Amino acid sequence: KAGVTQTPRYLIKTRGQQVTLSCSPISGHRSVSWYQQTPGQGLQFLFEYFSETQRNKGNFPGRFSGRQFSNSRSEMNVSTLELGDSALYLCASSPQGQVNEKLFFGSGTQLSVL
Amino acid sequence: AQSVTQLGSHVSVSEGALVLLRCNYSSSVPPYLFWYVQYPNQGLQLLLKYTTGATLVKGINGFEAEFKKSETSFHLTKPSAHMSDAAEYFCAVSSNQAGTALIFGKGTTLSVSS
Repeated sequence: KAGVTQTPRYLIKTRGQQVTLSCSPISGHRSVSWYQQTPGQGLQFLFEYFSETQRNKGNFPGRFSGRQFSNSRSEMNVSTLELGDSALYLCASSPQGQVNEKLFFGSGTQLSVL
Repeated sequence: AQSVTQLGSHVSVSEGALVLLRCNYSSSVPPYLFWYVQYPNQGLQLLLKYTTGATLVKGINGFEAEFKKSETSFHLTKPSAHMSDAAEYFCAVSSNQAGTALIFGKGTTLSVSS
């Protein structure tokens, strides 16, 4: 069974640009959640999508958005990039997004904003 | 609000020695507690979790953790460290209402010397 796949693996952008990251969950998983990892702030929850609907949201500005497609694949978009958005963005999937389920993480997309 | 504090950003042990990584949490609702491990350039992998039931939880690779409500702690231990245990370890908390919205500690880097 294939794991959680995130593309691209590395990305370099400049301030003011926008970026889209992609996440393909494990087959059969309907919940996809996103996390931002930085040396200063650590791991922070961005949002979770389940059945194409955003179900939970972290404390990030509106520049961070996402969506989920009918095949459960998810995309995350960051508009008007700032230097502080440089981070490793991790995607995780689980069957139903319940707390007693195991979360499977992808290897992440490393975003550098110059 | 929920929060997690990991005591010690770096822990160094010798191969064969006891591993003890400390985690304290704060939660106004019954917590669900997790330990994850991250190897360089990889995503997170679940080591173990506590949701309900037995307070001593056994995980993969010989790790275990004990939920102590009176001490609001969930420390991770392994009787004998192996070189392959060198990685970054994260403690996390969640609630049943937000199963995938994990709140992570800042992480502890474990170094193992021969």
